[in-house]
Amino acid sequence: AQSVTQLGSHVSVSEGALVLLRCNYSSSVPPYLFWYVQYPNQGLQLLLKYTSAATLVKGINGFEAEFKKSETSFHLTKPSAHMSDAAEYFCAVSSAGGTSYGKLTFGQGTILTVHP
Amino acid sequence: ETGVTQSPTHLIKTRGQQVTLRCSSQSGHNTVSWYQQALGQGPQFIFQYYREEENGRGNFPPRFSGLQFPNYSSELNVNALELDDSALYLCASRAWATNEKLFFGSGTQLSVL
Repeated sequence: AQSVTQLGSHVSVSEGALVLLRCNYSSSVPPYLFWYVQYPNQGLQLLLKYTSAATLVKGINGFEAEFKKSETSFHLTKPSAHMSDAAEYFCAVSSAGGTSYGKLTFGQGTILTVHP
Repeated sequence: ETGVTQSPTHLIKTRGQQVTLRCSSQSGHNTVSWYQQALGQGPQFIFQYYREEENGRGNFPPRFSGLQFPNYSSELNVNALELDDSALYLCASRAWATNEKLFFGSGTQLSVL
């Protein structure tokens, strides 16, 4: 079984400040890990994914995440927040293999607020 | 714009009724997954379809069923609606057996009264 825990349902930062959204996972097999962003009344957009290659993954819009197996973590960071980053962010895990790729287990989500 | 379209965007039903939600996959994608996202929660996997057959199911009762058509469009059917079925239903498509990312639609917001 797989699970994801996102620490902090709400994170608030000032524009230009560091963004850090925390994600810890549990998986009995090597995981594939994802971060998605959801804007109001929209579907999910992939920010980045880890699929057992480089442990530091760079995504769109200046976001990156580091896979740390020893800590079972996959935290999302961005050096400087923009107002347009305000949204809800979801961490997700899946296994490798054809059937598993479409079956993601999501965390509860973290709402990011960016103050001027 | 992901190329995955869902209809309708909003729907209101009464408890006990049946509902059909529709999804048109991105061109070239032969696999579709459906997710339920309750208010304030992350999406939960309902099931996945490949080559018109169910291929993987989450922890949802049999009254949740689906269809995938030869043109890779799909439907999610829910019978005997319950109040707790109120949620955003998301469909996502991908190409089978690749590390292709999922492309999500904008969802159908279902309210059960």
